[in-house]
Parts: sequence; C-alpha cells; structure tokens
Amino acid sequence: GNSVTQMEGPVTLSEEAFLTINCTYTATGYPSLFWYVQYPGEGLQLLLKATKADDKGSNKGFEATYRKETTSFHLEKGSVQVSDSAVYFCALAGGNNRLAFGKGNQVVVIP
Amino acid sequence: DAMVIQNPRYQVTQFGKPVTLSCSQTLNHNVMYWYQQKSSQAPKLLFHYYDKDFNNEADTPDNFQSRRPNTSFCFLDIRSPGLGDTAMYLCATSRDPTTNEKLFFGSGTQLSVL
Repeated sequence: GNSVTQMEGPVTLSEEAFLTINCTYTATGYPSLFWYVQYPGEGLQLLLKATKADDKGSNKGFEATYRKETTSFHLEKGSVQVSDSAVYFCALAGGNNRLAFGKGNQVVVIP
Repeated sequence: DAMVIQNPRYQVTQFGKPVTLSCSQTLNHNVMYWYQQKSSQAPKLLFHYYDKDFNNEADTPDNFQSRRPNTSFCFLDIRSPGLGDTAMYLCATSRDPTTNEKLFFGSGTQLSVL
C-alpha cells in the first residue's frame, strides 16, 4: 500500500539556518505529494504540493521537488525563522485519493 | 476566522464510558473526515462522509462510529473507550474526495482515557 517515511526525530536549528526535512514514499502509480504544517495549538494546514514528477511546490520560502527516480519529496528552506517552529508532515494521495501521512517532524528554531 | 471547529479541545473520559467529539465547518464542504493521531505517529484515517454517504476504513474498530446530521456538523462516537484510544482526533473537510484537493483541518480534540 501507499506509505510515507520521514526522517526520525525532532530538528533543532538556529535562526537563519538552512532546513531540510527528508521524505520518501512508496506508492503505486503516480501519487500527488504534499507537505502539511501544524503550528502550536492549531490544525494541520497545507504548506505546498506537487502533482507530477519534477514539479516543484513552493510557499512561504519553503520548497519541495517531486523526484520520481528517488521517490522523494524533501522539504527545504534557505533561512528559517523562529515563526517556522512547528510540526511538518509529508503526505501522499494515491489512486484511492486517501491521504497517507508520515509521522511528522518537530522543528524548533532557536533565536 | 476558524473554518473547521472542533469541540472540546481537551476531553478526559473513563475506561468504557462513551464519549462524543464534535466537529463543525463553515466551508459548506461535501466531505468530512475523522483522523486519529497517536503520540509520535502519523494521522490515521478512521472514516469519512461524502455528503450523507458514510465510508469506513477497513481497519477502523467497530467501537468507533460517526454521525453527520447535516452538512455543517459531524460527530465521532467512541462507544467503549479503551486506554489505547488516547489520542488526538482531527476533523478535516474537503469539497470533493475524488481529487487531490487540500484538506482543511480543525485544531483537534485531545482525548485522554483513564
């Protein structure tokens, strides 16, 4: 079945550092890929998405490129801010249009 | 303005005592979903409603039921909560389940079963 794997553990980094959160997937066919973000005390919000290979999703300085050859959709941001502290979830929607989520990564940005 | 509202934010119940969680939406979306998210795990889809049609996931325990009396409201009923049902319960909506359109999530209800 469809599944998403995110790197283990929280990510702690200093303000203005470069952020990468790894995401790989297993799916049949050609899924759509998403990153959702959950700020403290709030629900999940769609951050960005890509619907086909080589597409790049971007929003709020975050980017992720749909890599079919490596089945990956890594999230990157060049210079993080304290306000980016949140939990980030990678997800995919396959042929059944069910969203399959990864476990999420807690990102803590220190001033 | 909150568009998907879940109440209560925190709920404590006793082992075996029925509990109901509620979700309302102001988006007039056709689809409403319930996810269960245990600590440090991925959100897991329990079921969804497409209009009045109920769609249960194959591995959702019978202990979990849902009601959707109208477009705006959807309820999650846990008939006999066990300790393992302690989790965050997330409600989400979308216009159409057959596209990869984004979901709108509520803030969740943290349920503790003691």
